[in-house]
Amino acid sequence: IVLTQSPGTLSLSPGERATISCRASETIGDTYVAWYQQKPGQAPRLLIYRTSRRATGIADRFSGSGSGTDFSLTIAGLEPEDFAVYYCQQYGNSLWAFGQGTKVEIK
Amino acid sequence: EVQLLQSGGGFVEPGGSLRLSCVASRSTSARFAMAWVRQAPGKGLEWVSTIDYNGGTTFYADSVKGRFTITRDDFKKTLYLQMHSLTVEDTAFYYCAQVSWPTHFDYWGQGALVAVSS
Repeated sequence: IVLTQSPGTLSLSPGERATISCRASETIGDTYVAWYQQKPGQAPRLLIYRTSRRATGIADRFSGSGSGTDFSLTIAGLEPEDFAVYYCQQYGNSLWAFGQGTKVEIK
Repeated sequence: EVQLLQSGGGFVEPGGSLRLSCVASRSTSARFAMAWVRQAPGKGLEWVSTIDYNGGTTFYADSVKGRFTITRDDFKKTLYLQMHSLTVEDTAFYYCAQVSWPTHFDYWGQGALVAVSS
């Protein structure tokens, strides 16, 4: 399965809503999609798992949704610390794969 | 809380070998599946390998199959990645991660740079 994220870069202002899309090349089970945030020089951090469940300590402005082949991550009201790169990830057939990443930058 | 502390990165010539280590510190004695994920400089994340909770089953990306071996020593609470026949394409930051079986990676190490160059 290939995951394609869009857009590649999202230029937004603090307070705006960010929506990142992740499209799979074939149908994925809803339990198998996760989202990560990565800041420069840091390891990735789990944000969302099983499509829509927030990981421990993740703010409720982060939400995930989707089914089938189309999934999305929404950040409702960007905070200064949210400007980072975001990756979707899926599991299937004993393989794990990541999307190519979406950079959310300050406009 | 889980902490993963990595060691073993460095510089190696093409064709060389290197072993990465990842020590887990957890508040529970339970065993978890573990994985390695790498990131070439300036690039995205690439899954490399996974080992199940008891070491009985391993999984590899095609790009490293036959060259890399993932193992674990639960007595030492340590995960390993033995890498052979390294090429410049293997240059990357390598992260160990705990697998919330089987779907996602819930805790990550700090990363270790492997630089393959002549």
